Amino acid sequence: AQKITQTQPGMFVQEKEAVTLDCTYDTSDQSYGLFWYKQPSSGEMIFLIYQGSYDEQNATEGRYSLNFQKARKSANLVISASQLGDSAMYFCAMSYSNSGYALNFGKGTSLLVTP
Amino acid sequence: NAGVTQTPKFRVLKTGQSMTLLCAQDMNHEYMYWYRQDPGMGLRLIHYSVGEGTTAKGEVPDGYNVSRLKKQNFLLGLESAAPSQTSVYFCASSYSASSGGTEAFFGQGTRLTVV
Repeated sequence: AQKITQTQPGMFVQEKEAVTLDCTYDTSDQSYGLFWYKQPSSGEMIFLIYQGSYDEQNATEGRYSLNFQKARKSANLVISASQLGDSAMYFCAMSYSNSGYALNFGKGTSLLVTP
Repeated sequence: NAGVTQTPKFRVLKTGQSMTLLCAQDMNHEYMYWYRQDPGMGLRLIHYSVGEGTTAKGEVPDGYNVSRLKKQNFLLGLESAAPSQTSVYFCASSYSASSGGTEAFFGQGTRLTVV
């Protein structure tokens, strides 16, 4: 069975600083995808970044980067130059092929960016 | 650019009542999903569909039924609502998945309360 673990229920970071949100996963599949989504207080799910299991380079999208360490089965999200608008819940997720590539989500990390 | 649209956005049901949640996507996606989100639990997969006319059970299917009669629509039904089904429901869709899956696009969510 696949499992996503986010060990940080809540995190604080000061504006303009960088922050790392941890995510570890467990799977026996060779082919899988790792995703990060942001959920602000308004409730919508916003896609941030994707990493395929065969991608050799870490994914980057603007201020977001995914620190992918396959041997350690970790897929940490790094947010550089935090902004007040980054305050939200962040979910790590993994796709699993035996359920139509549905996403298996972690429980999330609540990030608060302070001035 | 509608993307994924869910109706209704809010609903209050009495125990034992039935209702249908509608999800519509205009991106010609093959894959569609229904998730529920409960406090502290992340999102959990209820049912999914890999194409028109096909559906399959996810992690928490009990008490729900689904139909995908048209490619663009995915309906979630509650035949006899129970308080345990109080939750926020999200519909999502994605392209035909190759290895690792692809980004899922989410609707805005439906907040359902069963009293």
